[in-house]
Amino acid sequence: ELKVEQNPLFLSMQEGKNYTIYCDYSTTSDRLYWYRQDPGKSLESLFVLLSNGAVKQEGRLMASLDTKARLSTLHITAAVHDLSATYFCAVDKGFGNEKLTFGTGTRLTIIP
Amino acid sequence: GAGVSQTPSNKVTEKGKYVELRCDPISGHTALYWYRQSLGQGPEFLIYFQGTGAADDSGLPNDRFFAVRPEGSVSTLKIQRTERGDSAVYLCASRSGGANVLTFGAGSRLTVL
Repeated sequence: ELKVEQNPLFLSMQEGKNYTIYCDYSTTSDRLYWYRQDPGKSLESLFVLLSNGAVKQEGRLMASLDTKARLSTLHITAAVHDLSATYFCAVDKGFGNEKLTFGTGTRLTIIP
Repeated sequence: GAGVSQTPSNKVTEKGKYVELRCDPISGHTALYWYRQSLGQGPEFLIYFQGTGAADDSGLPNDRFFAVRPEGSVSTLKIQRTERGDSAVYLCASRSGGANVLTFGAGSRLTVL
């Protein structure tokens, strides 16, 4: 069974600081996805990482994928309050097996 | 429509009753997914459709849960003999071909009393 684990589960950080969220998974996969969820809202796609070494950046967020280590990171640079949300990573097993398995989520709170 | 539409947004029912949750995907999206999300948890996979057929229903927890997509567009998730443990937000998502980027609906919050 594919398992996806994130850490930390909860993260409280001050504005302006940098931090990293980790996502590791138990199966061979070249496809990893990051989503954001605001309280009471649905999930919004942030990044799609489709190969080993892939790096994507959007604003203060940068995601990377190491398929050999089965690890993805979501790095936050100079955090701002608007980034407060829950972040999920998700993995599937590739084309033809598109069941997407989500991690437990990291609840991020940015303190002014 | 512009996004994935789910109805009802909230459903309160009594233990033992039957419920149906509807999902209207983005027009033209061939794949449709159902997930269940409990408070403080990540979405838990239930079933996904490719066109009219269920490509993977391995996440349905038991035979009280059933989903259909008869014309390859709208899907209905059906739950028989509801139990309190079925209380959750049921999320629907769809995608077009290519990378597995899902567009989620706002969810249907089910409360079983």
